[in-house]
Amino acid sequence: GAVVSQHPSWVICKSGTSVKIECRSLDFQATTMFWYRQFPKQSLMLMATSNEGSKATYEQGVEKDKFLINHASLTLSTLTVTSAHPEDSSFYICSASSSGSYNEQFFGPGTRLTVL
Amino acid sequence: GQQLNQSPQSMFIQEGEDVSMNCTSSSIFNTWLWYKQDPGEGPVLLIALYKAGELTSNGRLTAQFGITRKDSFLNISASIPSDVGIYFCAGHRAGTALIFGKGTTLSVSS
Repeated sequence: GAVVSQHPSWVICKSGTSVKIECRSLDFQATTMFWYRQFPKQSLMLMATSNEGSKATYEQGVEKDKFLINHASLTLSTLTVTSAHPEDSSFYICSASSSGSYNEQFFGPGTRLTVL
Repeated sequence: GQQLNQSPQSMFIQEGEDVSMNCTSSSIFNTWLWYKQDPGEGPVLLIALYKAGELTSNGRLTAQFGITRKDSFLNISASIPSDVGIYFCAGHRAGTALIFGKGTTLSVSS
């Protein structure tokens, strides 16, 4: 149980385009979903926390207009990187929690974004 | 922001050896978590610790929540090639997000 999927697993796009990444909880209802980014050989950095049906809470330094997060259902959250630039290239990982607790997060397999 | 000091940064060991890594913090945490991440994958939870002094095992893995609540260690006994990966500690306290350490990269040679 507690399986989280992400789609796509990797994406290459041109600079200036927008990219949408989906995060789904497959066998449980995710009250809360978290979005992280991870640079090579670095740790995970939380970008935002989203609760189903409400606006996401962004961490300091994360542009909410650039990284649009939607959590419209208990099993799906999306992250859209708008007007992507090469510096947005990174590994984006989502996690989901059924309890809303930071303690109990199940991570997706990640999405590798490369912006040319 | 809050930092977790995780050490060592990397380890190169022989198959069969035991491994130990730890995380320390200047602040108290209520929960310590240990994750393993394989290349190109998301982290997978190995062990969760909820009480100071708690010692928990998961197969060949053992982790302890430090009595001061500012540190935790993870031991892997009799390492095997599939133990290769990056191990992250993460700490949590009420009202805050999970804070991750910078990871320990483990390499095992057979």
